[in-house]
Amino acid sequence: NAGVTQTPKFRILKIGQSMTLQCTQDMNHNYMYWYRQDPGMGLKLIYYSVGAGITDKGEVPNGYNVSRSTTEDFPLRLELAAPSQTSVYFCASTQGALETQYFGPGTRLLVL
Amino acid sequence: AQSVTQPDIHITVSEGASLELRCNYSYGATPYLFWYVQSPGQGLQLLLKYFSGDTLVQGIKGFEAEFKRSQSSFNLRKPSVHWSDAAEYFCAVARGSYIPTFGRGTSLIVHP
Repeated sequence: NAGVTQTPKFRILKIGQSMTLQCTQDMNHNYMYWYRQDPGMGLKLIYYSVGAGITDKGEVPNGYNVSRSTTEDFPLRLELAAPSQTSVYFCASTQGALETQYFGPGTRLLVL
Repeated sequence: AQSVTQPDIHITVSEGASLELRCNYSYGATPYLFWYVQSPGQGLQLLLKYFSGDTLVQGIKGFEAEFKRSQSSFNLRKPSVHWSDAAEYFCAVARGSYIPTFGRGTSLIVHP
């Protein structure tokens, strides 16, 4: 049972490039989340999804897009990378609201 | 808007000593409360959560937390710290949307 997996683990982007951060969970969870973690700032919610085909903005959605075509996958898209998007990105999933969140290992992104 | 405050950025304790990490929230009603731990290079793992009932909550790894409504606090405690407890600890609160809002974290350093 792999839980929540994220790829890549680390990536360097140039300003203006685009990329997709992948997140997959094998626990058949309905809820999935994307967070970014900046040093000393805790986690900020970017987007979340309560089921396939349903997504909603979190606290810091600007510059990002998501889709949820299947229960298992919740990719995060950066269209025009900016230095302010340098961060560690975590994907998480839960079976339902207020259930335990299971986190992936994170993707470290550096935009230069 | 709800918010959560972890006033201590770093806490240093000796191995075997007791530990208390502080968490305060600002919200009109009792929120749902969580403590997570993040080991270096890892995602977050749930230690414990409080929704209602007994205000002293037991979690994994020997941790406990006490909800004090009068102080709007949910402090995390452990009677005897082990070197393996060195990590980042996050308090989180949730209310209507059930989406947790995370504090900025407290880094625990354990001296041998």
